[in-house]
Amino acid sequence: SQTIHQWPATLVQPVGSPLSLECTVEGTSNPNLYWYRQAAGRGLQLLFYSVGIGQISSEVPQNLSASRPQDRQFILSSKKLLLSDSGFYLCAWRGGGNGYTFGSGTRLTVV
Amino acid sequence: AQRVTQPEKLLSVFKGAPVELKCNYSYSGSPELFWYVQYSRQRLQLLLRHISRESIKGFTADLNKGETSFHLKKPFAQEEDSAMYYCALSHGAGNMLTFGGGTRLMVKP
Repeated sequence: SQTIHQWPATLVQPVGSPLSLECTVEGTSNPNLYWYRQAAGRGLQLLFYSVGIGQISSEVPQNLSASRPQDRQFILSSKKLLLSDSGFYLCAWRGGGNGYTFGSGTRLTVV
Repeated sequence: AQRVTQPEKLLSVFKGAPVELKCNYSYSGSPELFWYVQYSRQRLQLLLRHISRESIKGFTADLNKGETSFHLKKPFAQEEDSAMYYCALSHGAGNMLTFGGGTRLMVKP
């Protein structure tokens, strides 16, 4: 069966520090992968999506970047975190047919 | 551009009462719409999609293209239905999801 792993679950980072959040998918190949963010009191906002290795599309300008070094791995990064980067980050995949499957999320607090 | 609107941030009903969570969308193409639910301390999960036209946990949603709506309904709410509900629209070559702001449903005993 298909599963999605996302880590860490929580993270507290100082302003100006780097960030790396990892998401991996099992049980499927060539999935569409997505990073979403949920800021406090707001809905889910699409940050990046990828339809294949090395293919990244960005939906909103921001302090973050994404990479897809392997078919089932999607990484969210930042070189220098801002306070406004705090939020709940969700990875998701869609492998065709059904709806999306979401990871358990990472709560990032930038202090 | 596509947009999904959930006008109610919070909906509070008593157990056994009917529930309707509103969702309106704006999209120039043929919409593919979903309802997702997030129970306390659980991950976001698919509740239903309009293509399947099925009923999950007693919930149904009908796509009304004339009114550009996809309201979620349940005739008799249960306490375990208390959760955060998100309406979402799939679009684009990458099948991205645009979410509404979410509605928190509280079912009181």
